[in-house]
Amino acid sequence: DGGITQSPKYLFRKEGQNVTLSCEQNLNHDAMYWYRQDPGQGLRLIYYSQIVNDFQKGDIAEGYSVSREKKESFPLTVTSAQKNPTAFYLCASSDRDATDTQYFGPGTRLTVL
Amino acid sequence: QQQVKQSPQSLIVQKGGISIINCAYENTAFDYFPWYQQFPGKGPALLIAIRPDVSEKKEGRFTISFNKSAKQFSLHIMDSQPGDSATYFCAANLYGYQLIWGAGTKLIIKP
Repeated sequence: DGGITQSPKYLFRKEGQNVTLSCEQNLNHDAMYWYRQDPGQGLRLIYYSQIVNDFQKGDIAEGYSVSREKKESFPLTVTSAQKNPTAFYLCASSDRDATDTQYFGPGTRLTVL
Repeated sequence: QQQVKQSPQSLIVQKGGISIINCAYENTAFDYFPWYQQFPGKGPALLIAIRPDVSEKKEGRFTISFNKSAKQFSLHIMDSQPGDSATYFCAANLYGYQLIWGAGTKLIIKP
């Protein structure tokens, strides 16, 4: 089945630790995105990538880093510099850009203890 | 100018009724307006989308109405069912690079 997988589903982190969230897609999409969702709020873009080895900051990139070494993979690292990392993180992909349908993964819920 | 304002924040509709969610924007450069549906604990999924060259688009029980002069668009769900209970997000595309998202509307359909 084609789709987007994110792992883990739940993640707990101690303050001061970096953590990496996995996102893999087998849809052969060029574009991939990372969003953060907080309760009662819309989705906020962290990073996006339209091609391998290239990515752009979104609205809330501070404290996060990404890589795009392979077309199908777009991991997100939440660093200790992110002051309030507890949130629901969603990865998405689309064929070329944001005018194409974005397909979302099931999300990772990160909790900082 | 890059905001998309969505209302209401929450909505309760009786089964069989019409659910209406509204969005407004300022940036006339937006050229693609999708609606996404999200169930609890899941990622959003595209429901229906419209471009500003048409005023209405219908897919089954879901209709987008688009008013370019007023810079507003809305989602209508006809014959609302309990399975429609979800959070709905409107969004607008900016220069093909990213979607600007509304804050979401939590819809509850009462049986």
